[in-house]
Amino acid sequence: AQRVTQPEKLLSVFKGAPVELKCNYSYSGSPELFWYVQYSRQRLQLLLRHISRESIKGFTADLNKGETSFHLKKPFAQEEDSAMYYCALRTDDKIIFGKGTRLHILP
Amino acid sequence: EPEVTQTPSHQVTQMGQEVILRCVPISNHLYFYWYRQILGQKVEFLVSFYNNEISEKSEIFDDQFSVERPDGSNFTLKIRSTKLEDSAMYFCASSGTSGVSTGELFFGEGSRLTVL
Repeated sequence: AQRVTQPEKLLSVFKGAPVELKCNYSYSGSPELFWYVQYSRQRLQLLLRHISRESIKGFTADLNKGETSFHLKKPFAQEEDSAMYYCALRTDDKIIFGKGTRLHILP
Repeated sequence: EPEVTQTPSHQVTQMGQEVILRCVPISNHLYFYWYRQILGQKVEFLVSFYNNEISEKSEIFDDQFSVERPDGSNFTLKIRSTKLEDSAMYFCASSGTSGVSTGELFFGEGSRLTVL
């Protein structure tokens, strides 16, 4: 079965502290994974994709096929990182999303 | 910067009524999608559309649902006879300018449907 699991509904982190948003997936094929973000009063948008291997807004994510994980990390949280984060998996002609993790950065 | 636009932003309807949600995808995109998000739940895939036909649909997308691209710019989702459980935020998305779909979906702001 194709599935994306984000175990944390809410993650509260102090400003300046490291952030890790967890994502695990289940997919029989070669996975293509993404992180999408929705800031307050804005539309859902792509943050980064695993094939790019890039850092966006200080965030990185490494695909670990052995652990079937694609955790999102940032070494130093900023207040503007507060948002809803969705891990997503591309399968055939669709993208499926996890339930999302709300990241709350504490001052 | 081009954006996906959706109308209406909010629609209230009586159970059993037909609803049409409209979307204008980004003009040179070739792949179109509808997703929905019931309050407090995850963003769920409904249907993908390419080359004037449905390419994939979920089990949620039953006979009560249909999609259409009537005029080359609009992409509509119709719910024939709404049920209470259809109350949700419906998101339209588009992607892909060549023959290959990418994973970067561009989303609209959503249409909130409330079924009474």
